[in-house]
Amino acid sequence: ETGVTQSPTHLIKTRGQQVTLRCSSQSGHNTVSWYQQALGQGPQFIFQYYREEENGRGNFPPRFSGLQFPNYSSELNVNALELDDSALYLCASSLGHTNTEAFFGQGTRLTVV
Amino acid sequence: AQKVTQAQTEISVVEKEDVTLDCVYETRDTTYYLFWYKQPPSGELVFLIRRNSFDEQNEISGRYSWNFQKSTSSFNFTITASQVVDSAVYFCALIMVPLGGATNKLIFGTGTLLAVQP
Repeated sequence: ETGVTQSPTHLIKTRGQQVTLRCSSQSGHNTVSWYQQALGQGPQFIFQYYREEENGRGNFPPRFSGLQFPNYSSELNVNALELDDSALYLCASSLGHTNTEAFFGQGTRLTVV
Repeated sequence: AQKVTQAQTEISVVEKEDVTLDCVYETRDTTYYLFWYKQPPSGELVFLIRRNSFDEQNEISGRYSWNFQKSTSSFNFTITASQVVDSAVYFCALIMVPLGGATNKLIFGTGTLLAVQP
């Protein structure tokens, strides 16, 4: 086990709703990255948080937003859900934003109906 | 632009066969890292190996081995004497060494589904 935990594991939402996904990073890690993995695809980088600030963003619209808390846990918020948002959302923690060694959680599977 | 290509979408083998998963990458950077991850049905990405761009030595870990060739921009993964428990999706990924405050994001291929039949 990596020590990175995500909640919930599964979630079903209706189009147009909002959702919050949570990630607890491995002890001592101050950086959390979020990835979206659509069915049959590789994970795509959403954004990264380092010491409570966004430190880089992938090609995702502003309705994808996040937070990192003083204990370095993190949230991913998605507003105005669309059917295409259905995916596995993975978070990864690392020690430092330049550290290439990242540890992944088990993911949250979001289904938008 | 950086890109990782895994041309094999699905591979099916019979237990005890050897199998090689291909990975080709593109980057203009001279310093980067390559990874292989395993994703079982549970969804978690399990780290298998990290290799930096200056280390072209092949690596063996038990039944797993990796062949890194910069000349062909390839980082192939071989499982010897495959087992049913090896069945999973395998991802190859690339990360550039960030400069200053740049973000170290992983760039993944589309994955190869390996099915090992008993």
